[in-house]
Amino acid sequence: GEDVEQSLFLSVREGDSSVINCTYTDSSSTYLYWYKQEPGAGLQLLTYIFSNMDMKQDQRLTVLLNKKDKHLSLRIADTQTGDSAIYFCAEILSGTYKYIFGTGTRLKVLA
Amino acid sequence: SQTIHQWPATLVQPVGSPLSLECTVEGTSNPNLYWYRQAAGRGLQLLFYSVGIGQISSEVPQNLSASRPQDRQFILSSKKLLLSDSGFYLCAWSVPIETQYFGPGTRLLVL
Repeated sequence: GEDVEQSLFLSVREGDSSVINCTYTDSSSTYLYWYKQEPGAGLQLLTYIFSNMDMKQDQRLTVLLNKKDKHLSLRIADTQTGDSAIYFCAEILSGTYKYIFGTGTRLKVLA
Repeated sequence: SQTIHQWPATLVQPVGSPLSLECTVEGTSNPNLYWYRQAAGRGLQLLFYSVGIGQISSEVPQNLSASRPQDRQFILSSKKLLLSDSGFYLCAWSVPIETQYFGPGTRLLVL
């Protein structure tokens, strides 16, 4: 099917690391993405990874890709209250122009 | 740089009334354009996408329609709104198979 799965909620303490997980569907996806959505706003691109990479680091963000298990994760180091938001993973279905989004993970950072 | 605009930002409409939401993109040519709907606390549902002027692909049968009268303009319409049409409508653009960028969204409440 075309369901990209994410856990619904994650709660962490300020300063800890957050790990948000995603299981995607298309093993041929070229790009995989992480977006952040703050309340009442559109989706903001955080980072993306090419399918031929296993890891990508961008400041506090680390993306890990396990193609065998079709598993994508986003690690946020030193999580801050401003990181509280909904995080979506997304993939492009190969051979199409369609982006498939996960259900979103609501991250709550406790002070 | 590229920007994407949506209006109105918020809309309250009675059941049975028509709808027109507009999305425009600046700073790019021949983008792929997308309409998504996000129900409260839920993920994104792809409604329509377009790869060129006058070309529309519909993903979900419903009482909504889309049109692309100009290269960088995408319009979402309905002749008669239903209560179930309430939600947060997001427009997005991409260069084919590359990163997708989102507008600020329109919040629609049908009463």
